[in-house]
Amino acid sequence: GAGVSQSPSNKVTEKGKDVELRCDPISGHTALYWYRQRLGQGLEFLIYFQGNSAPDKSGLPSDRFSAERTGESVSTLTIQRTQQEDSAVYLCASSFGLVTDTQYFGPGTRLTVL
Amino acid sequence: AQTVTQSQPEMSVQEAETVTLSCTYDTSESDYYLFWYKQPPSRQMILVIRQEAYKQQNATENRFSVNFQKAAKSFSLKISDSQLGDAAMYFCAYRSAGARGNKLVFGAGTILRVKS
Repeated sequence: GAGVSQSPSNKVTEKGKDVELRCDPISGHTALYWYRQRLGQGLEFLIYFQGNSAPDKSGLPSDRFSAERTGESVSTLTIQRTQQEDSAVYLCASSFGLVTDTQYFGPGTRLTVL
Repeated sequence: AQTVTQSQPEMSVQEAETVTLSCTYDTSESDYYLFWYKQPPSRQMILVIRQEAYKQQNATENRFSVNFQKAAKSFSLKISDSQLGDAAMYFCAYRSAGARGNKLVFGAGTILRVKS
């Protein structure tokens, strides 16, 4: 596809369950980012992947959050033992990787934890 | 750590008129990038305009222009000839230009309403 895609679009889960969110970056983009957007707020950085370098995990809020990326393709964000405060929109972005490059965002996954 | 502040939670503008959205930021760095993103109800973040801090000239993109005041750490967005399709949440964002220049730091956003 032409843009960043994310799945599912919406996810409703029960407190305590694990969830996986998927991001397909733009083909050829070596950098991939995850952000969290709580209702009515700006985006918070979670994690950044660049090629084969070690990811920058400095934004992950707790050890319940983890993410993986296979090469320069798909990434999965996993939240274990979900809590109600995890309810948010999770946005993925990708870029060619240079600091000057624009980050292109996907439509996000809206996570609701009941 | 860098911070971005948008002091206007909500703004309204009449169609065809001009509106200015405010943004201030705090940083000790001299080289960085600033952005305005638009987020309509579809949630898709769309880049509106970007500014390199080393450039004195203000960036413009059609009806969108910025007023970049580096010393004051201010970066406002002016939308001219407002259209109904401009209605959205607007976010100001900062990005370092150095080795740590990966993540974007966002403000809390400004909801822009356009009245017909």
